[in-house]
Amino acid sequence: DARVTQTPRHKVTEMGQEVTMRCQPILGHNTVFWYRQTMMQGLELLAYFRNRAPLDDSGMPKDRFSAEMPDATLATLKIQPSEPRDSAVYFCASGLSLHGLTHQPQHFGDGTRLSIL
Amino acid sequence: EDKVVQSPLSLVVHEGDTVTLNCSYEVTNFRSLLWYKQEKKAPTFLFMLTSSGIEKKSGRLSSILDKKELFSILNITATQTGDSAVYLCAGNGNTGNQFYFGTGTSLTVIP
Repeated sequence: DARVTQTPRHKVTEMGQEVTMRCQPILGHNTVFWYRQTMMQGLELLAYFRNRAPLDDSGMPKDRFSAEMPDATLATLKIQPSEPRDSAVYFCASGLSLHGLTHQPQHFGDGTRLSIL
Repeated sequence: EDKVVQSPLSLVVHEGDTVTLNCSYEVTNFRSLLWYKQEKKAPTFLFMLTSSGIEKKSGRLSSILDKKELFSILNITATQTGDSAVYLCAGNGNTGNQFYFGTGTSLTVIP
């Protein structure tokens, strides 16, 4: 089965450190979404890309978060410097966009569980 | 402001019971509503609904959309312990690439 792959699965680090999370979308998918999930807020969209171009990152704190797609097989989400309030599960999802619309349901990776001490 | 609201927040039932989960939405340029099941890890896709009144079924699960009243329900009949999970619904709208998730309904099925 094709699947979205995220690394690392778990990350524990001290505040102030840089954190990089990686995502390999399903081959052939051209949209990538980054979400953050916490008990309080549920799933929040941080950023999404179509054909590697960032279309919306309004959900992302710009001062410390950055998202990129260096190529079609890799998406990254970086936090620098990290803070305890960034502790959450970060999900990547990919989908197929035709004529500018994501027609297929998103497929999620297993997430990166991030703990900032 | 676009939003999706799910109810109840949590539910505890016994095996064999039937449950109904609710999802109401306010999504600009609404295109579709999606249901996901989330156990310990990633949400897994259940249904995508685009038309009112057409029920989608998969085994003991079924879902329907009402675009006039802006809500959807997910029904699970003859529940089993394996149905225990958080059920998420999401509205897709606006540019077509924007997905708005509810906070989920946590379902616990007791043997």
